[in-house]
Amino acid sequence: AQSVTQLGSHVSVSEGALVLLRCNYSSSVPPYLFWYVQYPNQGLQLLLKYTTGATLVKGINGFEAEFKKSETSFHLTKPSAHMSDAAEYFCAVNRAGGTSYGKLTFGQGTILTVHP
Amino acid sequence: DAGVTQSPTHLIKTRGQHVTLRCSPISGHKSVSWYQQVLGQGPQFIFQYYEKEERGRGNFPDRFSARQFPNYSSELNVNALLLGDSALYLCASRPREGDQPQHFGDGTRLSIL
Repeated sequence: AQSVTQLGSHVSVSEGALVLLRCNYSSSVPPYLFWYVQYPNQGLQLLLKYTTGATLVKGINGFEAEFKKSETSFHLTKPSAHMSDAAEYFCAVNRAGGTSYGKLTFGQGTILTVHP
Repeated sequence: DAGVTQSPTHLIKTRGQHVTLRCSPISGHKSVSWYQQVLGQGPQFIFQYYEKEERGRGNFPDRFSARQFPNYSSELNVNALLLGDSALYLCASRPREGDQPQHFGDGTRLSIL
């Protein structure tokens, strides 16, 4: 079984400040890890993914995340927040390899607020 | 290129009714998954279909069913609607099983009165 825990349901930062959204996962097999962003009344947009290879992955809009197996973490960061980053962010895990049947397991989400 | 499209965008039903939600995957994508997102929570996996066959089912009652058509579009059906079925229903597609990532549509907002 797989699970995801996002620490902090709400995070508030000032424009220009560092964004750090925390995600810890549990998986009995090597994981694929994802961060998605959801704007109001919209679906999910992929920010970045980790499947294999380099553990530091870069995504869209200046976001990046680092896969740390020893800590079972996949925290999302952005050096400088922008007002347009205000949204809800979801961390998700899927099992790696083979014909994975496509079940993404999501965390509860973190709402990011950016203050001017 | 068009993304994943879902219809309708909003729907209001009453308890006991049934509903059909539709999804058209990205052109060339053969795998479709359905998720339920209750307000304030992360999406929960309902079904995955690949080449018209059910390949995975989440922890949902038998009132929920789905199918995939030869053109790879999909329908999600929910019978005997309950108030708790009120949610955003998301469809996601990908080219083949094992491909990552999944691409999501904007969802259908279902409200049960």
